[in-house]
Amino acid sequence: TQLLEQSPQFLSIQEGENLTVYCNSSSVFSSLQWYRQEPGEGPVLLVTVVTGGEVKKLKRLTFQFGDARKDSSLHITAAQPGDTGLYLCAGDPLGDSWGKLQFGAGTQVVVTP
Amino acid sequence: DADVTQTPRNRITKTGKRIMLECSQTKGHDRMYWYRQDPGLGLRLIYYSFDVKDINKGEISDGYSVSRQAQAKFSLSLESAIPNQTALYFCATSDRDSSSTDTQYFGPGTRLTVL
Repeated sequence: TQLLEQSPQFLSIQEGENLTVYCNSSSVFSSLQWYRQEPGEGPVLLVTVVTGGEVKKLKRLTFQFGDARKDSSLHITAAQPGDTGLYLCAGDPLGDSWGKLQFGAGTQVVVTP
Repeated sequence: DADVTQTPRNRITKTGKRIMLECSQTKGHDRMYWYRQDPGLGLRLIYYSFDVKDINKGEISDGYSVSRQAQAKFSLSLESAIPNQTALYFCATSDRDSSSTDTQYFGPGTRLTVL
């Protein structure tokens, strides 16, 4: 059972368009991370959000953590082909599961020129 | 040089064979993890180790075993490989940072095919 549900599973857009990826759960997390994975490589951390309602920006990427710390979103403005990749959210559970990240299934993003 | 390395990068084996996947890190982290990645399922935790003397099962440990030979080395074994263990395997390391979050650093992965 996937604790973190990501949507959509696949997203194909043209260069210059905007996109949003969602990560939802019924569980509360102490923090939530977003990773990007490219073919033949391991995931690489983009950002960590910790506080409910927190918004972080990384160039054209905007990350938001829900007020209740159960969900998050990733918004990309004016997408570029270099944004292509598998985007994974990962939650750090509260309690004795701390440090064992729960990963979503991922959203495959394809940006075509 | 990469901070987290995995060997081999690709392996094809037959059902019933014993396989070992190796992971080494130069980040000096205490925590190490083994995950498998399957399409549509994301990353699932197989085993994790918070220090050399600490080994813990993850959510899908059946059919796997691990060995933490040193702080820098963490090996995953499949004692008798079966086809549904065909997957992409990742090793990761982490170290609790000052903000108490747990950033994980992944190796490049091992693609294992069991025929």
